Amino acid sequence: QSVLTQPPSVSGALGQRVTISCTGSSSNIGAGYYVHWYQQLPGTVPKLLIYGNGYRPSGVPDRFSGSKSGTSASLAISGLQAEDEADYYCQSYDSNLSGFVFGTGTKVTVL
Amino acid sequence: EVQLVESGGGLVKPGGSLRLSCAASGFTFSNAWMSWVRQAPGKGLEWVGRIKSNKNGGTTYYAAPVKGRFTISRDDSTDTLYLQMNSLKTEDTAVYYCTTDSSSYYCDYWGQGTLVTVSS
Repeated sequence: QSVLTQPPSVSGALGQRVTISCTGSSSNIGAGYYVHWYQQLPGTVPKLLIYGNGYRPSGVPDRFSGSKSGTSASLAISGLQAEDEADYYCQSYDSNLSGFVFGTGTKVTVL
Repeated sequence: EVQLVESGGGLVKPGGSLRLSCAASGFTFSNAWMSWVRQAPGKGLEWVGRIKSNKNGGTTYYAAPVKGRFTISRDDSTDTLYLQMNSLKTEDTAVYYCTTDSSSYYCDYWGQGTLVTVSS
């Protein structure tokens, strides 16, 4: 029951910049709750990539950046690398559901 | 180092029950708020539910698809989180992850997951 909408896929050439959108509503992103992003490499456990709209945990390259505006958020990957090929999920909190909500997920392909 | 190790997954028939465990180490479990997140085969992430620390009341919250069937509990004496799953349905088939919750409502550490398959 994903309430955050993401594009199913995005692609870019090595070194390019790609962005992934995450659209929510007035009960989650639009209510002021933070947006967080996770990266799931093929066959692995999801890993926290961005927290608090735009902060990177230690060890995450600064090629990854996050932003939020209104009821939407975005993840940008600049200088796309082969190892960035993965699924990416946004996540927030929803006051109507009193729980976490995840995005539908976006598969990033490096051409 | 934070470690979360899930166990208890397996094959169960529709209508059956299963209890998952998550052994925590490397942090003060009794202070932690914890969540369960699941991922059906080839699908996205789905939050299952969370439990506050006992000092914050130990309150539990559940996603609509599992409310009334799943129960999250914790044992701070053994640093273990549990997920009791009853009346299982085929759509509950997924890898179940145990996670730690930050105060800003995100999952900062994840276990390796345990697979639950509901099939006749």
